[in-house]
Order: sequence, then C-alpha cells, then structure tokens
Amino acid sequence: GAVVSQHPSRVICKSGTSVKIECRSLDFQATTMFWYRQFPKQSLMLMATSNEGSKATYEQGVEKDKFLINHASLTLSTLTVTSAHPEDSSFYICSASSLGDQPQHFGDGTRLSIL
Amino acid sequence: AQTVTQSQPEMSVQEAETVTLSCTYDTSESDYYLFWYKQPPSRQMILVIRQEAYKQQNATENRFSVNFQKAAKSFSLKISDSQLGDAAMYFCAYRSAYAGNNRKLIWGLGTSLAVNP
Repeated sequence: GAVVSQHPSRVICKSGTSVKIECRSLDFQATTMFWYRQFPKQSLMLMATSNEGSKATYEQGVEKDKFLINHASLTLSTLTVTSAHPEDSSFYICSASSLGDQPQHFGDGTRLSIL
Repeated sequence: AQTVTQSQPEMSVQEAETVTLSCTYDTSESDYYLFWYKQPPSRQMILVIRQEAYKQQNATENRFSVNFQKAAKSFSLKISDSQLGDAAMYFCAYRSAYAGNNRKLIWGLGTSLAVNP
C-alpha cells in the first residue's frame, strides 16, 4: 500500500519550454502533497505544500509564478515549471500524505534537464 | 525552529556487520515524529522506520532499529547484518505533531552509507 506514482521520470527540453510533472497517489487519498527539489548529494529542499482544493503554500525563496502547483483532487497534484531555464535543471520529487499521523510517501522523482 | 543534524556525512560497514547512523534534533515541542528514510542510487525515497515521540519503546523493522533518547534528543539508526542493498543515503527527518495540515518534514543533510563486500 501507499504507492505514489510520479511522471515523467526524465525530461529533456529546450530553454523556454514549460514542463508539467504529475504526482498521483494510487491507493490512498492524499490530502496533502509536497514538492521537493534535490541537488546532487544534498538533502531535499521543500518547495511547496499543497492541500487538496486550496492554494499551495510556497517556501521562502520559491517563485510561485515560476513553479505552478495544482492539487485539484485527492489523488493528483501537478507541478508546472514555466518557461524553464538551465538553472531549473534538477531532480524534483513529490510526496503525499493522508490525514492524521501518516508518513509521507514519495514518488520516484523526475530528473529535469533544460538545454 | 526545529533542526535535524546528521554529523556523519559518510559511513562504511562490512557486509554482515552492524552499523549505527547518528541523528540529533532540536525542538521545544513534546510531541512529534521522527523518521529515517533511505535513498539508494535510484533516488527513490523509501521510509525505513518511524518513531512517535510519546512512545518509549524503540521502533524496529526487521534488521533496522532505532535508539530513541528523548531527553538527549537523539535518534540513531542501527542496521544489523548489513547487506549490499543497504548502500544508500540515509536521511533523518522530524515532523511536528502539532502542525495541523502543515505536516512538513525537517530534514538532516544525510549520511552516505557504503557496504563493503
């Protein structure tokens, strides 16, 4: 149980392109989803927290117009990197959590490369 | 604000031996959760074990166990009978029990564990 699917696993695209990453909870209702960015050999950096049906809460320093997050249902959240540039290249991971004291369960991550 | 410290950037262990990864944290809260996550080279984040602060008994999951010392704010992970597949980055994380809908994790910087055959 507690499976989170993240898609795509790898994206390579040109500078200026917008890229959408999907995060789905397959066997539970995810009231809260989290989006992280991870640089090589570093810890996870939380970008934003999204609760189903409400606006995402962004961490300090994260541009909300650059990283658009939508959490329209209890099983799906999307992260759109708008007008991506090479400095946006990174590993992005989502996680999902249901109500109560349930832990976060992670997707497999998306490696984004902007040329 | 809460912080999590992992003081060992790298560790190594011989296959079949036991290794302990350290984690300390700082908080003024009395109720919280602590986690160990494993991230192998595939970069998938896998929950290894979790501990509720109100429980005195140390959590165990097969070969993985923790030594939770609440007064010392210490939460070490012991891996027994180490296997080659245990090689990974291990992250310690803290989560407040009072956060309501904001249940974000506070992460340590990680410990890279190598398992030598």
